[in-house]
This record gives sequence, structure tokens and C-alpha cells, in this order.
Amino acid sequence: EVQLVESGGALVQPGRSLRLSCTASGFNFGHHAMHWVRQPPGKGLEWISGISRDSGTTGYAASVKGRFTISRDNAKNSLYLQMNSLRAEDTALYYCARDDLPSSGKNFDSWGQGTLVSVSS
Amino acid sequence: QSVLTQPPSASGTPGQRVTISCSGSRSNIGINNLYWFQQLPGTAPKLLIYRNNQRPSGIPDRFSGSKSGTSASLAISGLRSEDEADYYCAAWDDSLSGWVFGGGTKVTVL
Repeated sequence: EVQLVESGGALVQPGRSLRLSCTASGFNFGHHAMHWVRQPPGKGLEWISGISRDSGTTGYAASVKGRFTISRDNAKNSLYLQMNSLRAEDTALYYCARDDLPSSGKNFDSWGQGTLVSVSS
Repeated sequence: QSVLTQPPSASGTPGQRVTISCSGSRSNIGINNLYWFQQLPGTAPKLLIYRNNQRPSGIPDRFSGSKSGTSASLAISGLRSEDEADYYCAAWDDSLSGWVFGGGTKVTVL
């Protein structure tokens, strides 16, 4: 069974940093691109970043580019999101999601349960 | 303001057919595949439709997707109480070089 478990969410002050993790199990992690998607409380979904299977290609939404960095460690079946210079508007539930486009044409076909980041003084 | 436009709400009685629209532009829906997600209250989103009209295994055939030009729609036929949820469309946007989501549509079963 595919499982994605996010961790690292916390209450932080504006301007500070935070690192989120997503641990995968139940599938060959290194064969899949991965993404981070966030959802502010009571609002919709926003894609913020993606990374290819071999970390060779990364992409970011304009709202986080230059502040957030996505990375992965295939040996540890883990995906990361380093978040710097956090702002109040970064407050959201952060999900990691699997990409299966090359194989099945499905994207975001599995999601974690999310980890909550709150940015407030 | 979301790149893909969805109506904020839709409703129907049990057994009815409900349709949700998703409007975009040439750089996203116009040239790329459209995806639909269902988010039940308090849970993570779930892939409902991929490649415009394909259902993952386990998704009932009451859910169907279509795309024409720069718009797409999700239809739920034989509406059931358990279909009460938020529904989101998504597509890759070539101009933004990123994935874009619609603002979401809350479906209420009356």
C-alpha cells in the first residue's frame, strides 16, 4: 500500500525557517517524481514545488520561488521542503503527492495526510 | 485568484446529475491534460479523473470528465450523500511552468 507521511510542521515566527519531510513507503520511491501542494485553512489547493526522480529537475510556484527549496533522498525514501523567510501567507497544510505521469498518466495519484505550518508572531 | 476558474458551489438532490465546470486558457487546459480531485471534509485530496476523462481503479463510473478547448467539466450522476465534498480541477500550465489548480467547488447534496 502506498503511504506518504509528512512531518516537520510547526508554529514559527515570520522570517524564520522550517524544513518539512515526507517519508514514502509501499512503492519504489526513486521511480517517481514528487510534489508539494499546500492548502491554507479554509481555502483551495496550491501547487508549490515538484522534483524529478533523479533530482535533476525542480520547479516552483512564483509565490515561493527563491525562498523554498525542494530536495529528495532516494536512499531514505524521503522528500524534503526547506522553507526560508516564512511569511504569514505561507500558513497552510502542506501535502506531499506522488507523480506517476510517465507510467500511467496519473499525477498526484497518492497524497499524504499533510503537516500544518503556521507562521505568526 | 486561481488560474483555473470553477464555480464556488453546486448542489443537487440524491439521484440527480451535477456538473462542475473548469475554465482555463490555451496554455493550460487548451494544450494539456486535465485532472479532477475530490476532497472529503477533513481528508486529503483524492485523484478522481486523470487525462481529462480517465477514472483510476475504484472510482465509480458515476463520475465522468470531459474537455473541450479551454474548458472542462466533471459530471456526477446519481448523486449520493457521500459525494458531498470539495472538487478541484488541475492542469500543467506551459506559460507558468507549473501546475495550476482551480479554486474548488463545494458540492452539497440537498
